[in-house]
Amino acid sequence: AQSVTQPDIHITVSEGASLELRCNYSYGATPYLFWYVQSPGQGLQLLLKYFSGDTLVQGIKGFEAEFKRSQSSFNLRKPSVHWSDAAEYFCAAQGAGGGNKLTFGTGTQLKVEL
Amino acid sequence: GAGVSQSPSNKVTEKGKDVELRCDPISGHTALYWYRQSLGQGLEFLIYFQGNSAPDKSGLPSDRFSAERTGGSVSTLTIQRTQQEDSAVYLCASSFRGGSDTGELFFGEGSRLTVL
Repeated sequence: AQSVTQPDIHITVSEGASLELRCNYSYGATPYLFWYVQSPGQGLQLLLKYFSGDTLVQGIKGFEAEFKRSQSSFNLRKPSVHWSDAAEYFCAAQGAGGGNKLTFGTGTQLKVEL
Repeated sequence: GAGVSQSPSNKVTEKGKDVELRCDPISGHTALYWYRQSLGQGLEFLIYFQGNSAPDKSGLPSDRFSAERTGGSVSTLTIQRTQQEDSAVYLCASSFRGGSDTGELFFGEGSRLTVL
């Protein structure tokens, strides 16, 4: 079955430190991959997406993600975390070719210590 | 409207009652999704509408759940004979599918359902 796994439920980092959130997927073929962020009391917002091509994708708010086919991973990174980055982050995948549902991971809750 | 609109934003109901949740997608968006988000859980896919195609209902948890989309726009999610385990935030999202499928979903702020 198609699935998306986010192994870390909670992560705490200090402001200014680097961040990496893990995401692994299980699909028959490489899916389209996404990261969404959900800030407290707000809707989900797309951070970045990967369809094909360059395996390092840049997103909004200084985030980037790297697609690694050999590891079936799409980890989200940020070099220096800001307190406003505290939120819940969701990795998602969609079967390539369109017309397929978007499957989300269970999310990683990020806490930023000042 | 400018974004995906959901109503009501909050709904408290008694066990056994029926509820209807409404979603008004972004104008021109042909795809519409319903997800459920429970405390400590991820986003659970419920149903997906794409244009005039038959909806993908594979995520509906039981036959108490149903959804329709009228005129390719507004959607209503109906939960019959609500149970306490139905308490969650129900999220609606829409996306535009043009010549290429970007897959980007635009989410509403959700309808929080509490079943007493």
